Amino acid sequence: GAGVSQSPSNKVTEKGKDVELRCDPISGHTALYWYRQSLGQGLEFLIYFQGNSAPDKSGLPSDRFSAERTGGSVSTLTIQRTQQEDSAVYLCASSLYSGSKNIQYFGAGTRLSVL
Amino acid sequence: KQEVTQIPAALSVPEGENLVLNCSFTDSAIYNLQWFRQDPGKGLTSLLLIQSSQREQTSGRLNASLDKSSGRSTLYIAASQPGDSATYLCAVLTGANSKLTFGKGITLSVRP
Repeated sequence: GAGVSQSPSNKVTEKGKDVELRCDPISGHTALYWYRQSLGQGLEFLIYFQGNSAPDKSGLPSDRFSAERTGGSVSTLTIQRTQQEDSAVYLCASSLYSGSKNIQYFGAGTRLSVL
Repeated sequence: KQEVTQIPAALSVPEGENLVLNCSFTDSAIYNLQWFRQDPGKGLTSLLLIQSSQREQTSGRLNASLDKSSGRSTLYIAASQPGDSATYLCAVLTGANSKLTFGKGITLSVRP
């Protein structure tokens, strides 16, 4: 596709339910990133995938959060037993190059509201 | 741990003014610095990327500079327009294949 695509654009769920957020990166981009943007917290890194390497999960806030990337393309971020503090905009980005030319292109995000 | 600061958090200027948005970072060992624009309810749009070996980049009315040694970057917007109203985020890449560390952004309002 022309850009990074995320779905759904909005998700409302009840506390305790599981949710899945999807990201389709730009075709051919080998790196994929998930970030979270909370009110007053700014943008924070969650997880990063590069090719077939083990993902960098250092930003995941708890073991309720997990992500996978199938076939080196589409990624799914799963939040189990959602809590109200999980309410945020979840942004996905992809990039082609590494090093100083690493430009990350972002999707429009999924706005998650946990009631 | 890398920290990125953008001050002030909000700025309001009259149309036509030239303005400078500031960004500072604590760890000068960066690969690049990106400036993004975010409109309300939207994702991030990359405006300019400055590689670590570069001093500045220009695109239209935008010019971004980088001083790695002092840990500073500025985004210069010439002849501001109401359509420039948005939040501007600065982010640094500290590892070759790594996460971006973001500032909290500057919300710009350009008054007609």
